[in-house]
Amino acid sequence: NAGVIQTPRHKVTGKGQEATLWCEPISGHSAVFWYRQTIVQGLEFLTYFRNQAPIDDSGMPKERFSAQMPNQSHSTLKIQSTQPQDSAVYLCASSFQRGEVFFGKGTRLTVV
Amino acid sequence: QQQVRQSPQSLTVWEGETAILNCSYENSAFDYFPWYQQFPGEGPALLISILSVSDKKEDGRFTIFFNKREKKLSLHIADSQPGDSATYFCAASKAGNYKYVFGAGTRLKVIA
Repeated sequence: NAGVIQTPRHKVTGKGQEATLWCEPISGHSAVFWYRQTIVQGLEFLTYFRNQAPIDDSGMPKERFSAQMPNQSHSTLKIQSTQPQDSAVYLCASSFQRGEVFFGKGTRLTVV
Repeated sequence: QQQVRQSPQSLTVWEGETAILNCSYENSAFDYFPWYQQFPGEGPALLISILSVSDKKEDGRFTIFFNKREKKLSLHIADSQPGDSATYFCAASKAGNYKYVFGAGTRLKVIA
């Protein structure tokens, strides 16, 4: 069990460019979450999928952020027209039904 | 509105001492409280958790004390070790709910 795998670990984008972050949840886990971590705001919930279906995206900035889960083995978080304030560590997590939530190591996004 | 508060922001203890990390919450609907440990460059990892029906949960050197009336809980780390040096996050959710609200974290340093 390699845990939740996130790629890339680090990504640098220019202001206005698009960034796509990838997540491979633990095999067999039906729930996938995205969180964002910054020094100022801490850990913030972004969105949640269960059995690949989007359940709650209440934490997602509405205009430029989108998340998808095209199959049970991966999810993507896409940020269009990235801004410096989008710089953060983006964490993906998964769980089996309503069990323990396992986090990946995160993708550190830097927008310059 | 900060729904989960942690104190202190940082804590330094000597090896062998008991570290006490505090957490309080505002939403009386919260009834599941996991504590996560995070090392630099890693994602948060579940350390120990408690449901609000209990007032104490032990797991080895780690103990949660929970006071539902005061909406407070604390994590006690007995016999602290240098390897315990990390940031600890208190989180809260409604039992069976997927969305965690995290505190800002306590950075613990254990000096040998």
